[in-house]
Amino acid sequence: SQELEQSPQSLIVQEGKNLTINCTSSKTLYGLYWYKQKYGEGLIFLMMLQKGGEEKSHEKITAKLDEKKQQSSLHITASQPSHAGIYLCGADPSGTYKYIFGTGTRLKVLA
Amino acid sequence: NAGVTQTPKFQVLKTGQSMTLQCAQDMNHNSMYWYRQDPGMGLRLIYYSASEGTTDKGEVPNGYNVSRLNKREFSLRLESAAPSQTSVYFCASSPPWTSGTQYFGPGTRLLVL
Repeated sequence: SQELEQSPQSLIVQEGKNLTINCTSSKTLYGLYWYKQKYGEGLIFLMMLQKGGEEKSHEKITAKLDEKKQQSSLHITASQPSHAGIYLCGADPSGTYKYIFGTGTRLKVLA
Repeated sequence: NAGVTQTPKFQVLKTGQSMTLQCAQDMNHNSMYWYRQDPGMGLRLIYYSASEGTTDKGEVPNGYNVSRLNKREFSLRLESAAPSQTSVYFCASSPPWTSGTQYFGPGTRLLVL
């Protein structure tokens, strides 16, 4: 079965610093989704990547999917306290609605 | 629009008790899902309903049953709760044309003693 591994598991950065979160799949991805979860709340959809080499940005968050479609990175530029939370990557390996998620990266931004 | 709503928000059960977690969405989405989230385990799919009238098992279905009551509502039932079912449960829905773009409810925190 396919698995998604995220790194790092947790991250503490000073406000204004850049950071990167990685998501690695054990098999080729046919769609990779990034979500953010504020502590104690549900997940919020951030971005979807489908094509190898694809890159998308939303405000100060940029996500990329590598050419081999087995690794994705989420980059935050000039982090702010509002970026704090848990970031999860997800995928639908077989296109049958059986979604899987990584274990998440906990981000804390110090003001 | 309320989006995805879940009830209750918190629940404490004794081992062996039963309960039903309710989920409703007002976005006219076809697909709905139930997940559980445990520390260090991430989010795991319990059951899903690709469309009204269909339900299928996910990764961790044992000990649970579901009902897709109509297009809006998807309930999760624990027939005989066990301490291993202590978790945070999330319901989600997604429209058919954006597979993977899921909208999540706020979650139900369940403690089984």
